[in-house]
Amino acid sequence: DTGVSQDPRHKITKRGQNVTFRCDPISEHNRLYWYRQTLGQGPEFLTYFQNEAQLEKSRLLSDRFSAERPKGSFSTLEIQRTEQGDSAMYLCASSDGTSGRNTGELFFGEGSRLTVL
Amino acid sequence: QKEVEQNSGPLSVPEGAIASLNCTYSDRGSQSFFWYRQYSGKSPELIMFIYSNGDKEDGRFTAQLNKASQYVSLLIRDSQPSDSATYLCAVGDYKLSFGAGTTVTVRA
Repeated sequence: DTGVSQDPRHKITKRGQNVTFRCDPISEHNRLYWYRQTLGQGPEFLTYFQNEAQLEKSRLLSDRFSAERPKGSFSTLEIQRTEQGDSAMYLCASSDGTSGRNTGELFFGEGSRLTVL
Repeated sequence: QKEVEQNSGPLSVPEGAIASLNCTYSDRGSQSFFWYRQYSGKSPELIMFIYSNGDKEDGRFTAQLNKASQYVSLLIRDSQPSDSATYLCAVGDYKLSFGAGTTVTVRA
């Protein structure tokens, strides 16, 4: 399977704990995105990488959130000191930014669902 | 004002009918427009994209774009129960802004 994979699929944690999610994009895709989705809402943009460079972060991304893509391949999203409001589905997506066409075609992983108790 | 707004659902249509979904966006400079489908408990998947004013057809799906009115729509012809899902309108180039989605239920 060469799709976008995310791990873990589900995470339950207590308020104040740190959590980390991993995303492995489609191998030939140089762009990687993190989105957050809550029930009844569309995905909200969090951050975006082109290769290993983090090019944009949303204002939604507080200082407790950090994302990395150290070698331009997989990415991690860490949330420190989790709060109940962080409970959501965290979606990773990748795209091919090299062709200049269909740059908005994002391929999403199945998501990592976070529940903060 | 939200960047991307969709008509509120849910939308219930009988099998074989046309489902019509609407979307407006605020950024007049937007150039690229997308419709994603999201089944319950699954991640979004792209079904249509449109860049130019007018209609674009792909099988039973037709996307319509009117940049002057900042309006995008999606028509689903001959709706099938398998079309029951949430449809997300998205706008942007490398970074997409999504609407909240319209949930469609096709009654057999």
